[in-house]
Amino acid sequence: QSVLTQPPSVSAAPGQKVTISCSGSSSNIGNNYVCWYHQLPGTAPKLLIYDNSKRPSGIPDRFSGSKSGTSATLGITGLQTGDEADYYCGTWDNSLSSWLFGGGTKLTVL
Amino acid sequence: QLQLQESGPGLVKPSETLSLTCTVSGGSISGSSFYWGWIRQSPGKGLEWIGSIDYSGSTYYNPSLKSRVTISGDTSKNQLSLMLNSVTAADTAVYFCGGGITGSPIASWGQGTQVTVSS
Repeated sequence: QSVLTQPPSVSAAPGQKVTISCSGSSSNIGNNYVCWYHQLPGTAPKLLIYDNSKRPSGIPDRFSGSKSGTSATLGITGLQTGDEADYYCGTWDNSLSSWLFGGGTKLTVL
Repeated sequence: QLQLQESGPGLVKPSETLSLTCTVSGGSISGSSFYWGWIRQSPGKGLEWIGSIDYSGSTYYNPSLKSRVTISGDTSKNQLSLMLNSVTAADTAVYFCGGGITGSPIASWGQGTQVTVSS
């Protein structure tokens, strides 16, 4: 059971929008920046969002991030079949003195 | 651009020590701009942070693994190492090394290396 809670799966049709939530507490999301990774099968994770809402160079603006209180959200618009992957949120936890990953969300583009 | 490559035995016996190396190119492991980490992923499971080391050699470990883990760096070879002792089948996983700019999450990852714990 992860400290950061994500839905196990989400799905949407090509071209549509989807959001993935990440719920935590004041010791982690509430007081630290959140990042998001996606991971294709058999590959290393790739950073999509850092500092809650910033995109690394090369990440399209179809990907967006936001944070409110102790929850964060990843948004993906204009869904493509290539977006099918596992998505993970991550942040530091001040109480545990540990980096945390969410349990992961599998995105299916129907 | 940082590039990282993990290496080490793919098979480790129960109760023995898992030892992996991560060779870094495109940046110095002793550079103050960077920090480095190890993350693992058990079969069909999510990501688990093992620990990190910064440019000064300060280390930070996952509390659940802290008693068994050592992360260190060899600046002469620009390599990181991971040692995990007293392994069990639960330590079977793909092990990734990664690097990031200080104050930001890990952005550069190795391809990962599969380690199986079995007799």
